Amino acid sequence: EIVLTQSPGTLSLFPGERATLSCRASQSVSSSYLTWYQQKPGQAPRLLIYGASSRATGIPDRFSGSGSGTDFTLTISRVEPEDFALYYCQQYGSSPPITFGQGTRLEIK
Amino acid sequence: QVLLVQSGAEVKEPGASVKVSCKASGYTFTGYYIHWVRQAPGQGLEWMGWISPKSGGTNYAQKFQGRVTMTRDTSINTAYMELSRLRSDDTAVYYCARDVLLRGAHWFDPWGQGTLVTVSS
Repeated sequence: EIVLTQSPGTLSLFPGERATLSCRASQSVSSSYLTWYQQKPGQAPRLLIYGASSRATGIPDRFSGSGSGTDFTLTISRVEPEDFALYYCQQYGSSPPITFGQGTRLEIK
Repeated sequence: QVLLVQSGAEVKEPGASVKVSCKASGYTFTGYYIHWVRQAPGQGLEWMGWISPKSGGTNYAQKFQGRVTMTRDTSINTAYMELSRLRSDDTAVYYCARDVLLRGAHWFDPWGQGTLVTVSS
């Protein structure tokens, strides 16, 4: 099973600062199968980034994804008040097919 | 507009079964797999399995083998997830999500709004 480890667990920033969220895999993951989601309290997860670096429709360009192999990063260039939420990475592999990271909470400092 | 709408909250006793529905609209139901993911209170996301609405084929996470059954009814564009022998640690929000495959990449979009299942005596 591919284990995804996200860091930090909680990230405290002021609005306008840069956010860097990490997702590390226990073994190599195809970039095509690495996805990032945002989840706000009481809501379902929302697609942000697919294929490690492609923004979903309607996602602002302050969000970007990068990485390959075992190390992937979600960057928010300047955090807006509406960006404070939980962020999950996901990999879609072979056995088992799907695993998620434990999440990073982005909170207002 | 692509939409997945789930059934309402359920309260079940330990040992009972629960069946959650997920009605799809705005796209060809048989063209995309449906996945089920759950989230216990204050916890992360846990994948449970998928169903192919076209063939009815399924793939369950090992943890849920023997307790989960995923089915679909193509006449009403609805997928179902039934979990049996419920325990208190099955208390969670259960989500369905559409599997999108494009240019070699896979992702979930959209997700249903979630169904809270509470297991309590």
